[in-house]
Amino acid sequence: DQQVKQNSPSLSVQEGRISILNCDYTNSMFDYFLWYKKYPAEGPTFLISISSIKDKNEDGRFTVFLNKSAKHLSLHIVPSQPGDSAVYFCAASAKKYGGSQGNLIFGKGTKLSVKP
Amino acid sequence: ETGVTQTPRHLVMGMTNKKSLKCEQHLGHNAMYWYKQSAKKPLELMFVYSLEERVENNSVPSRFSPECPNSSHLFLHLHTLQPEDSALYLCASSQRPGTGFTDTQYFGPGTRLTVL
Repeated sequence: DQQVKQNSPSLSVQEGRISILNCDYTNSMFDYFLWYKKYPAEGPTFLISISSIKDKNEDGRFTVFLNKSAKHLSLHIVPSQPGDSAVYFCAASAKKYGGSQGNLIFGKGTKLSVKP
Repeated sequence: ETGVTQTPRHLVMGMTNKKSLKCEQHLGHNAMYWYKQSAKKPLELMFVYSLEERVENNSVPSRFSPECPNSSHLFLHLHTLQPEDSALYLCASSQRPGTGFTDTQYFGPGTRLTVL
């Protein structure tokens, strides 16, 4: 069963408007969340992260919101630009005790298209 | 070279061939990973090496054999693969600061593998 879910496979937004990408998770032990962006023929590129001790983290046009009670996080891009068109992956990890460290669990991705 | 590099970028092989994928990271990290990305599936973690020792093997078939000779290089040796092994194979690296801490992973561009 998927622990990290991105229920929208695609999203289309007009340039200059806000893009909101959503991600849900099921494992309450997850305490670190990341967003990656992937262009065709390239590997995923780290975009922004958030720790469970926060509910918001902002970096330029990108803001990630975390709602722990709902086990939901979202990535806001504003204003959206055509160069933002890519596949966005949500990932989560949980601290493991006893020597092993958390590994990333990825969602299936959402393809964002920003139209000029 | 900067970041994480992977060679070859594309590989076509028959089921009886033996081939190897190579990954090199120039970030001074101490952990490296192999992921598999199949169509319409999340990234699947295959192997994790931390300080050149394998710390995770997520039940990957023995026809995939990893090798980590030093902290900068990671190989994935392939032998008698099946057509369903066709996928994008991604390498990543990170800095693991200590027990119980999660980290951000940086990805290479991937090798697109086709098994005939």
